[in-house]
Amino acid sequence: QLQLQESGPGLVKPSETLSLTCTVSGGSINSRSYYWGWIRQPPEKGLEWIGSIYYSGSTYYNPSLKSRVTISVDTSKKYFSLRVSSVTAADTAVYYCARASYDYSIGYFDNWGPGTLVTVSS
Amino acid sequence: DIPLTQSPSTLSASVGDRVTITCRASQSFDNWLAWYQQKPGKAPKLLIHKASILETGVPSRFSGSGSGTEFTLTISSLQPDDFATYYCQQYKTYLTFGGGTKVEIK
Repeated sequence: QLQLQESGPGLVKPSETLSLTCTVSGGSINSRSYYWGWIRQPPEKGLEWIGSIYYSGSTYYNPSLKSRVTISVDTSKKYFSLRVSSVTAADTAVYYCARASYDYSIGYFDNWGPGTLVTVSS
Repeated sequence: DIPLTQSPSTLSASVGDRVTITCRASQSFDNWLAWYQQKPGKAPKLLIHKASILETGVPSRFSGSGSGTEFTLTISSLQPDDFATYYCQQYKTYLTFGGGTKVEIK
């Protein structure tokens, strides 16, 4: 059974770079059938798509975050990563990684990690 | 991107009620729409994709309909386990989520 797990620092200082990793077990990232994405949710607010990556390394970013976001996939295809630069308090959120199945474009998220809270504070 | 507007933002209902949540956009995204359920402290769970295709294991009291710019999620008879927040998500042009609809106990 596919499982995703986010990991990384829970506290990041303003202006620094947030870095998270999503480890995939019970399945392979190296598949043509899926995209892999990051979504965040500020406290008491809604969901925001950050970006997605295909096994080949092709990336797709939310235009509102594109200038600060980098998503990469490890060549061993066991995990994918998120970096958000120049963070502010507005980047405080629960960050989820997820697998996306697709029948069009970059799809819908059918398998999620439990999420990890990242707080931006000095 | 394609902004999505969900209504209502909060819905008070009783067990057994029929509940309808609407997701609208100012431009068409055909039927490339998904619905999710989220409970407090948990990751969202996919309920429906392509506007009306129910995921395996999702109770048949859930249904989705619509096309173009207006879509609905209907719960035919609300159960205690259904009190949660629901989100729509379009995937025609990149990805965007609606603002969410909280279904609470009346």
